[in-house]
Formats: sequence, structure tokens, C-alpha cells
Amino acid sequence: NFMLTQPHSVSESPGKTVTISCTRSSGTIASNYVQWYQQRPGSAPTTVIYENNQRPSGVPDRFSGSIDSSSNSASLTISGLKTEDEADYYCQSYDSTAVFGGGTHLTVL
Amino acid sequence: EVHLVESGGGLVQPGGSLRLSCAASRFTFSIYWMSWVRQAPGKGLEWVANINLDGSESFYVDAVKGRFTISRDNAKNSLSLQMNTLRVEDTAMYYCVRTGGSWHFDDWGLGTLVTVSS
Repeated sequence: NFMLTQPHSVSESPGKTVTISCTRSSGTIASNYVQWYQQRPGSAPTTVIYENNQRPSGVPDRFSGSIDSSSNSASLTISGLKTEDEADYYCQSYDSTAVFGGGTHLTVL
Repeated sequence: EVHLVESGGGLVQPGGSLRLSCAASRFTFSIYWMSWVRQAPGKGLEWVANINLDGSESFYVDAVKGRFTISRDNAKNSLSLQMNTLRVEDTAMYYCVRTGGSWHFDDWGLGTLVTVSS
């Protein structure tokens, strides 16, 4: 099976833009969809991006997703950062089983 | 709004057993695959198992194969996870998760905590 590698943490100021990467260790990133989940402390995860770049209803368009075959990675970009965006973010993909990245803690300060 | 409520967690000794349940409501349970995903304290997410629409097929992460069994009852809108021969490393919050196409974990319960300790 493959692994998804994320930075352990990122930080940025309110109003700025941050990008979180998710690199697939083997196989091609484009061969299976990538999802992104947000998890606030003490809460269950919720989807912010599914199928690489789709936003569920209710998720603001400040959140966007993309994939880059040249780097074999997916990215989650959050623009116009708000303090409420501070959370852990997990990428997830699959082949025969589901695989999660290790998670990235976003600090907005 | 999808409603998933887990129960059955608790403290169990290594080698013991526990059965988790998940009550589903506010969606048509029988047309969705369902999964269990766990999260050890302070750690990341790990998919544990999933089950197809009629319960005839199930899949597991290697770490639990032969010890855990996922099942469902579509008449009762319920999902279960029978956990046997529990290990300390099985300690985690266990989430019941509705699973859409492309392995999208689209709705999560609040979780039930399993602690394996002597």
C-alpha cells in the first residue's frame, strides 16, 4: 500500500492564504480521488473537499483542492484565513483500502 | 441531516472483547457502504473496516484482520463492530462513518472511546 505525507504543522495570519500539501509515496495521485477533512479539537472530522476539488454544501469557497501529477501530490488551499479555521486537516485517498495522511495542524495567529 | 450514534465503548483488559454499535438515522441506510475509522489518543485517523450494502462483503486493515468483525442490520439501520483479542494498541476513539463513492467518508458519528488496559 502507499503512504500520504503531510507537513506536521503550518501557521499563518488571519486574512492570508495557506496551502497544505499531501504527497503520495507510490502510485499516481491522479489514479484515485483525494478527500480533505477538518477536525477541530474534541470533534469528529468533517469533509472540506472531496473528489480532489469538490466542496460539500456549507463549506465556504475559501477552501479549494487540487492535485499535481508532477509532484504526485494533492493540496488544500485556504484563503482569507479565519481564526475558526484553526484545526487539524487530514488528506485521504485509497486503492484497495483507505489511506489517511498523518494530519497537519493549522495555527491561525 | 445524517445522524450516527455510536455506543459500546469502555475499558477492557488486553485479550478481552467488546462490541460497538452504531445507530443510523435520517438517511437511507441500506444504500450506503459503512465504515469504522479510529483515532488513537493524540494521533491521526486510521480506517479500520468497511462493509458493502447487504453485508455480504467486508474489508479490514491488516492490524485487525482475524480479530474484528464488521456487520450490519439494514432492517434496524444499525452497524456493529465485534472486537476480540483486544490489544493495548487498539485503544482509540472509534467512529461510525457513512461511506460514499470514491471512499469518501462523508458523515461521521461523534465516536465511542475504547480503552484497552490492565
